[in-house]
Amino acid sequence: GAGVSQSPSNKVTEKGKDVELRCDPISGHTALYWYRQRLGQGLEFLIYFQGNSAPDKSGLPSDRFSAERTGESVSTLTIQRTQQEDSAVYLCASSIPGLWVAEAFFGQGTRLTVV
Amino acid sequence: KNQVEQSPQSLIILEGKNCTLQCNYTVSPFSNLRWYKQDTGRGPVSLTIMTFSENTKSNGRYTATLDADTKQSSLHITASQLSDSASYICVVSRSNDYKLSFGAGTTVTVRA
Repeated sequence: GAGVSQSPSNKVTEKGKDVELRCDPISGHTALYWYRQRLGQGLEFLIYFQGNSAPDKSGLPSDRFSAERTGESVSTLTIQRTQQEDSAVYLCASSIPGLWVAEAFFGQGTRLTVV
Repeated sequence: KNQVEQSPQSLIILEGKNCTLQCNYTVSPFSNLRWYKQDTGRGPVSLTIMTFSENTKSNGRYTATLDADTKQSSLHITASQLSDSASYICVVSRSNDYKLSFGAGTTVTVRA
């Protein structure tokens, strides 16, 4: 696609339910990042995928959070047993590492509201 | 600890005034540094990129500086406009694997 696509754009879920967020990176972008942005707050790193390397999961806040990526394509971020503090905008970005001036291109984000 | 620290976390300025945002990083080895602008409800978009050999770069009313020795960068906004209200994010790339490290951002509010 022309840009990074995230779906859904908005998600309202009940506390305790599981949610799955999707990110379609730009074709050919082997690096993919998930970030969380709470209302009025800055970006919080969650996870980084680079090709077939083991992902950097150091930013995942708890074991309720997990993410997968198949090859160099779509990634899904799953939040199990959602809590109200999970309410935030979840941003995905992709880039081409190895290109030294690589720019990260961001999706529009998924706004998650846990009620 | 985040390898990219930004300050202030937020600031409010009057339209027409100038402001400067700071970015300090510990990312090593360094490749380049980008400043992004994130308008409300949208994803961040790149404003400018600084490489190791560059000290300053301008993009309209935005001027970025880089001191690779002290690992500091700044973004100066001149004659601010209401449309400058946004979050500004500093992103640093490593030169060995090109992994990007993102700062938490500075939220700028320009008031009439």
